[in-house]
Amino acid sequence: NAGVTQTPKFQVLKTGQSMTLQCAQDMNHEYMSWYRQDPGMGLRLIHYSVGAGITDQGEVPNGYNVSRSTTEDFPLRLLSAAPSQTSVYFCASSYRLTGLNEQFFGPGTRLTVL
Amino acid sequence: GQQLNQSPQSMFIQEGEDVSMNCTSSSIFNTWLWYKQEPGEGPVLLIALYKAGELTSNGRLTAQFGITRKDSFLNISASIPSDVGIYFCAGLNYGGSQGNLIFGKGTKLSVKP
Repeated sequence: NAGVTQTPKFQVLKTGQSMTLQCAQDMNHEYMSWYRQDPGMGLRLIHYSVGAGITDQGEVPNGYNVSRSTTEDFPLRLLSAAPSQTSVYFCASSYRLTGLNEQFFGPGTRLTVL
Repeated sequence: GQQLNQSPQSMFIQEGEDVSMNCTSSSIFNTWLWYKQEPGEGPVLLIALYKAGELTSNGRLTAQFGITRKDSFLNISASIPSDVGIYFCAGLNYGGSQGNLIFGKGTKLSVKP
């Protein structure tokens, strides 16, 4: 198993550009989530999904969109990037919601918005 | 919203020393988790605690779930250079459609050989 994979590993955007951060898992996990990590802030939940076709907002959803068309993939879209979105983004998955204690994290995408 | 206070923010220790860090909250959690994050990687779960008062070990790591359910600590004994990283606590409550997993801000550990 590859576990949780994220692409790209690094990205630089200009303000106003759009992009999609990719996340995939091959463990047949129902629950997937996106976090952002800022210096001194820990990890904060952006969006999550409890299964294909079902998504919901986390703590800091503004400026981000998600969709879950398959069990394996959970892309995060920035429609109009802002400097405040400069951060490290982590995707995570677990077998189900009640397995949050067993989340697997991807290696992260480091995003810089100029 | 709920917040976790994790301390210390950073530690610089000599190889072989013991390390202690803790997390406190104003809210009760049903589960406490401790993660380690190495540079360029995502967090990796070290220890999960499910019951108030529970003391759990994983090699040189020992963690406890506080009796009040509002705190937890992590100890590392006889530190080695590969212990370097950022350690995060997280409190977890199940409820509604989301569950509620809150992360502390991390303790950055540096170990001098």
